[in-house]
Amino acid sequence: DTGVSQNPRHKITKRGQNVTFRCDPISEHNRLYWYRQTLGQGPEFLTYFQNEAQLEKSRLLSDRFSAERPKGSFSTLEIQRTEQGDSAMYLCASRKDGYGYTFGSGTRLTVV
Amino acid sequence: QQPVQSPQAVILREGEDAVINCSSSKALYSVHWYRQKHGEAPVFLMILLKGGEQKGHEKISASFNEKKQQSSLYLTASQLSYSGTYFCGTPPGMYSGGGADGLTFGKGTHLIIQP
Repeated sequence: DTGVSQNPRHKITKRGQNVTFRCDPISEHNRLYWYRQTLGQGPEFLTYFQNEAQLEKSRLLSDRFSAERPKGSFSTLEIQRTEQGDSAMYLCASRKDGYGYTFGSGTRLTVV
Repeated sequence: QQPVQSPQAVILREGEDAVINCSSSKALYSVHWYRQKHGEAPVFLMILLKGGEQKGHEKISASFNEKKQQSSLYLTASQLSYSGTYFCGTPPGMYSGGGADGLTFGKGTHLIIQP
């Protein structure tokens, strides 16, 4: 069990640029989730996958956000035309049915 | 809807006990508990399922009252390592029992353990 891996750990981008984050879940976990967390708040759900199927997207997820999980393995989260309000920690988590989440260390995005 | 956690913060001496509560305005089918230390990712503590089943890997106990739509986390004989922010998370609906869908987390309870 090597844990959930996220890359990059930090990303600073200029407003209007596109960014992409990667998440490698624990291999035997079939469910993968993306969350966003801002200072002093709990994680906010963005989207989740069961294997390669994206089963739910939060209303928080604007059209500028897109996520993929090709072949049910790693996942990417892309934010297009970034805004300052997108600055946050983006957390990926994976789990097996009936068990709790294992979170990655996150990608901290700063939009300047 | 976001579950409500109480208290918002608590300061304890090492060895003292603490109770953290999580309540929801909608029916609960499961509750997750996580602890997050500053600058780190949340770490899974426990999941409580409708019907009384519990799954966790730490020596922390919890209760789940389906009728009252609330859960409580019990930290006994607290250790310095228990310091952090505790979050409860609830799934959106019955079909997601066990956390099948995205969890909605509370705002957290900050726990500080002093030596």
